[in-house]
Amino acid sequence: EVQVLESGGGLVQPGGSLRLSCVASGFTFTSYAMSWVRQAPGKGLEWVSTISNDAGSTYYYADSVKGRFTLSRDNSKNTLYLQMNSLRAEDTAIYYCAKCNSAWYLCSFDYWGQGTLVTVSS
Amino acid sequence: EIVLTQSPATLSLSPGERATLSCRASQSVSSYLAWYQQKPGQAPRLLIYDASNRATGIPARFSGSGSGTDFTLSISSLEPEDSAVYYCQQRSNWPGTFGQGTKVDIK
Repeated sequence: EVQVLESGGGLVQPGGSLRLSCVASGFTFTSYAMSWVRQAPGKGLEWVSTISNDAGSTYYYADSVKGRFTLSRDNSKNTLYLQMNSLRAEDTAIYYCAKCNSAWYLCSFDYWGQGTLVTVSS
Repeated sequence: EIVLTQSPATLSLSPGERATLSCRASQSVSSYLAWYQQKPGQAPRLLIYDASNRATGIPARFSGSGSGTDFTLSISSLEPEDSAVYYCQQRSNWPGTFGQGTKVDIK
């Protein structure tokens, strides 16, 4: 059974940092790109970032997070990370880890985690 | 950035009726369009990928069609559990984008 499980969310002050983790199981982690998608309270979905399937040599970021967020993956641990720095109030959202249905960074998301809530507030 | 516009914003139908949801792209996305269902408090679920391919485990009453800029998600005979928000998503160009969603209410 395919599973993705996020952790690391919480309350952080503006300008602060947080690292999200996503542990995947039930599929060959190295064969698929992985992504983060977020959803602000009561709002729609926003594709945040994607990392390619291999050693993580290819990264893509939404303009809204470029230069502040860093995506990485540890294929030996089947784990995806999102390092979030210089957080802003507008980054407040549920962050979903999502498995791409291909190795390609432009993908559809066939499995999602339950989400982890990030709240940026003083 | 490709903008996806979904219509209508809300659809209120009775069980057994047919639902037709629309997604229009600001430029061609070929067939690189997916549909998701999201229920309150839950993560989205992939229904349709590449315009017309049903994802694993999705009932046959869900179908997708279209190419280029105009796409449709159809639910042939609504069930009470189909009450949800439905999003389209394009993977033609980076950044990938989502539509704003259509809420389906079952009367």
